[in-house]
Parts: sequence; structure tokens; C-alpha cells
Amino acid sequence: DIQMTQSPSSLSASVGDRVTITCRASQDISKYLGWYQQKPGKAPNLLIYDASNLESGVPSRFSGGGSGTDFTLTISSLRPEDIATYFCQQYDDLPLTFGGGTKVEIK
Amino acid sequence: EVQLVESGGGLVQPGGSLRLSCAASGFTFSNYAMTWVRQAPGKGLEWVSTISSNAESTHYADSVKGRFTISRDNSRNTVSLQMNSLRAEDRAVYYCAKLSPVILGPFDYWGQGTPVTVSS
Repeated sequence: DIQMTQSPSSLSASVGDRVTITCRASQDISKYLGWYQQKPGKAPNLLIYDASNLESGVPSRFSGGGSGTDFTLTISSLRPEDIATYFCQQYDDLPLTFGGGTKVEIK
Repeated sequence: EVQLVESGGGLVQPGGSLRLSCAASGFTFSNYAMTWVRQAPGKGLEWVSTISSNAESTHYADSVKGRFTISRDNSRNTVSLQMNSLRAEDRAVYYCAKLSPVILGPFDYWGQGTPVTVSS
């Protein structure tokens, strides 16, 4: 199985800060990575697919990068509505696996 | 507008069974693979099962293989998850999600989830 390791597990940042979350795959997954945002009590929402493609309707302050085993999700300027937990997910192979999540809070 | 609405969750005793359903609308259901993902209280996301668009292939996480069965009815735009021999560790919110036309892809739409509690 492909293991997905996210870091940090939580972070606290100020409004307007640039925030970066990393995700590492235990083997090469090419570009087959998605990022999801989950707000408390809600279903996850797809932000980024194929590592760097912005899903329709997602604000442009979100961006994704990387390939192979190392990936990043960046929020260019943190806003209060970005408070959520973020998950990465690989879909290169079954079983589909998720990272453990990164909880983003406002300082 | 794509909508996925899960139903069927509830309280069941260990060893019992439950059948979850997901009603889909707003897209050509028969063109897309569908999946179930669960989230235990306070935990992360766990992929459970995926079914291809034509139901010819199904896939399961090791943790549910042999106990859960995924199925779909393309005439009714529904996907189901039959859960047997339920265990305490199956307690979670279960989400259905829409995949791409192939079984390996991102989940671009999710339902609101249905909670399952396994307890005596």
C-alpha cells in the first residue's frame, strides 16, 4: 500500500500569511494526487487534482505543486474562511490512501 | 447541480448488518465510478470501496473485504453499500463520492455523509 505522510499535523498562522502543507508518498505516484479541504461537520471538498490543477470554483489563493513523491499545498494569503483540515490523497493505485490531515487555525 | 444524498445509517449491534444507499443526481450517473469513504470520530479519511461505472469491477479496503459489498443500479442512479458482520471499529460517518470515469481518480463531489454506530 502507498503511505501518505502529511506535515505538519497542525499549524497556526495569521490572516494574510502564506501557508504551506506538505505531503510525501511512500513511492512514486507521478502526478496522481489530490488535496481536499474539510470544515468541521462537513464533507470534504476537492481543491486540487493531478497535483497542481485547481478545481473549478476554488479560489486562486490555493495552489498545488510537486510530482513523484513530494507535494505541497499552498495558501498564498490565509483568510478566516480557510480554517479547516486539509487532506492529501493518492489515486495512482489501489488501495486509495489519504494523508493524516493538517489542521489549520488562525493565530 | 450534482447532488449525492446518503441514507441508511444508524445504530446497529456488533455482528449486525446495515445497508447504506446514495442517491445521485445532476450528472450522467452511468458514466462515472462511485466510491465510499468513511471517517471515524475525530479521525482522518479512509477509503472503503469503489465500483466501476458499469459495475463490472469492485474494489475494497482490506479492513472491510469479505464483509462489505458495493453495488449500483444505473437505472435508479443509486449506489449502495451492504455492511455485514459489523464491528465497533466500523463506527464512522460514511460518505459516498463521485469519481472520474475511471476507478482511479479524485473525488470531485461528496455527499453529506451518514453516521453508523456499532454498539451493544
